[in-house]
Amino acid sequence: KAGVTQTPRYLIKTRGQQVTLSCSPISGHRSVSWYQQTPGQGLQFLFEYFSETQRNKGNFPGRFSGRQFSNSRSEMNVSTLELGDSALYLCASSLDTGANTGELFFGEGSRLTVL
Amino acid sequence: AQTVTQSQPEMSVQEAETVTLSCTYDTSESDYYLFWYKQPPSRQMILVIRQEAYKQQNATENRFSVNFQKAAKSFSLKISDSQLGDAAMYFCAYRGHSRNTPLVFGKGTRLSVIA
Repeated sequence: KAGVTQTPRYLIKTRGQQVTLSCSPISGHRSVSWYQQTPGQGLQFLFEYFSETQRNKGNFPGRFSGRQFSNSRSEMNVSTLELGDSALYLCASSLDTGANTGELFFGEGSRLTVL
Repeated sequence: AQTVTQSQPEMSVQEAETVTLSCTYDTSESDYYLFWYKQPPSRQMILVIRQEAYKQQNATENRFSVNFQKAAKSFSLKISDSQLGDAAMYFCAYRGHSRNTPLVFGKGTRLSVIA
């Protein structure tokens, strides 16, 4: 079974631009979460989608948004990029059923650099 | 809000020796999950071990075991017979039992293995 796939793996943008990151979860997983990882702040929760609906949201400004499609694939968008948005963005999927183990399966991440 | 604290930013261990990574957490919930994730230099986060709070028995996965002290809200990871491939960032994480609660991470401990 294929793992969580994130694209692109690396990208460089300039301040003020916007960026869209993509995540394909493990087949059968309906929950997709996004995390921002930086050396200073560690791993911070952005949002979670389940069945095309945002189920939970972290404490990030409205410039950060996401969506989930009917095939469970998810995208996140960051508009009006700032230098501080430079980070590794991690996507994780989970098997959200009655036998939920709570475990998340992570992709390799998208490394965003804002110049 | 739940918090996870890892008080050791860096640790080192000799190959074949044993090392223990510390983690404490704060929660008012009685049922939850605890995890240790490993993030090697290649970046993909992988699950090392998980513990369900209602289970008193400490989880074990091959060379990895935990010491779960629910009353003390402590969840340490012991790595026995350390190998060079164990070198990585280790994150302790908490997740409530409810399906829509995000994974809350500690800041991580960087483990070096000395040959």
